[in-house]
Amino acid sequence: GAVVSQHPSRVICKSGTSVKIECRSLDFQATTMFWYRQFPKQSLMLMATSNEGSKATYEQGVEKDKFLINHASLTLSTLTVTSAHPEDSSFYICSARAYSARGFPFYEQYFGPGTRLTVT
Amino acid sequence: AQRVTQPEKLLSVFKGAPVELKCNYSYSGSPELFWYVQYSRQRLQLLLRHISRESIKGFTADLNKGETSFHLKKPFAQEEDSAMYYCALSGVETSGSRLTFGEGTQLTVNP
Repeated sequence: GAVVSQHPSRVICKSGTSVKIECRSLDFQATTMFWYRQFPKQSLMLMATSNEGSKATYEQGVEKDKFLINHASLTLSTLTVTSAHPEDSSFYICSARAYSARGFPFYEQYFGPGTRLTVT
Repeated sequence: AQRVTQPEKLLSVFKGAPVELKCNYSYSGSPELFWYVQYSRQRLQLLLRHISRESIKGFTADLNKGETSFHLKKPFAQEEDSAMYYCALSGVETSGSRLTFGEGTQLTVNP
């Protein structure tokens, strides 16, 4: 259980266009999802926390008008990179927060497989 | 501010040897520490967290608040342990949210 999917797995877009990435929790509901960015050979950096039915909370330095997040349902959050530029090329990973599937009384984050964005 | 440091980007050991992946953290509040693992071509997954005091796949990690460390250890490494390991931190009050990741250690276990 607790599977998270992302679509697409990779996308190439032209500079100036927008691209949408979907993150879905397949077998559970997630009121909270997270979006991360990972540069080559570097760590994951939290971009924003996506809350179902309310506005996302962005980390310092992340432009909310550039990275639009919508969490319209308990199983879907979307990240739209608007007016993409080559420097936005990166690996974007989402996660969904849910109660531990291992039976512990804790929340865990379950990660999606990531989306490789290339802006040409 | 919260910070996680993994001093070794690459670590190589032989099968059957002990392995220790180092993790140090900086956090002003009560920390919750995690180890995540990413096997080749797979997604990131939770290996263990300090609160649950688990031993998963033979790995253990002890939170040392005095040294602000959360090193991951396994007495006898196996080839299938080869993977990227990330140490991560959140505040206890956020219950696993707002994770700060270290830069990761690529572990290679040689036959």
